[in-house]
Amino acid sequence: QLQLQESGPGLVKPSETLSLTCTVSGGSITMSSYHWGWVRQPPGKGLEWIGSIHYSGSTYDNPSLKSRVTISVDTPGNKFSLRLSSVTAADTAVYYCGRLEKYWGQGTLVIVSS
Amino acid sequence: QAVVTQEPSLTVSPGGTVTLTCGSSTGPVARGHYPYWVQQKPGQAPRTLIHDISTKHSWTPARFSGSLLGGKAALTLSGAQPEDEAEYFCLLSYGGVRVFGGGTKLTVL
Repeated sequence: QLQLQESGPGLVKPSETLSLTCTVSGGSITMSSYHWGWVRQPPGKGLEWIGSIHYSGSTYDNPSLKSRVTISVDTPGNKFSLRLSSVTAADTAVYYCGRLEKYWGQGTLVIVSS
Repeated sequence: QAVVTQEPSLTVSPGGTVTLTCGSSTGPVARGHYPYWVQQKPGQAPRTLIHDISTKHSWTPARFSGSLLGGKAALTLSGAQPEDEAEYFCLLSYGGVRVFGGGTKLTVL
């Protein structure tokens, strides 16, 4: 059974870059043709899809995030990462990683504040 | 960007049946949108109940089923239980770019 764990700073200053990593255990990140993705949820609000990556490196991302998103994969390390640049308070959210058709991480709260 | 629409809230009686729907601003929801249904209870991480219209996981109670209905994706709950009270999000794919609906808060009362 796959498990996913998000890690990264819980506090980021405005205008800086948010960086999170999702470590996959219990199976290889290359085991499936599915994409690995990031989702966020601002406090009290719904889910927002951020983007996804295939282990080959192909990516899709949310156009509403205006090219602030970079998703990368580290197949030897069995993990993938999210970078979100020029953050503002509106980026404060719980960030989830997952292989969304089946597996989700527990989420990590990131607060954007000076 | 496409907008995915869901009923904001629904109420079902214990043992009753309810259908949640998921529409797309671009037109009828089709197989190629690969609809997912995601359940989230307060304070918990989401979990996917159904993917690719109707494919369930081992943890998906048999009382949940997914389908395409009248140009929308649909999640039907037959024989609602108190533990089914949660928010339900649908997720559609548009050529790889995915969009969540706003969620349906389901009350079992």
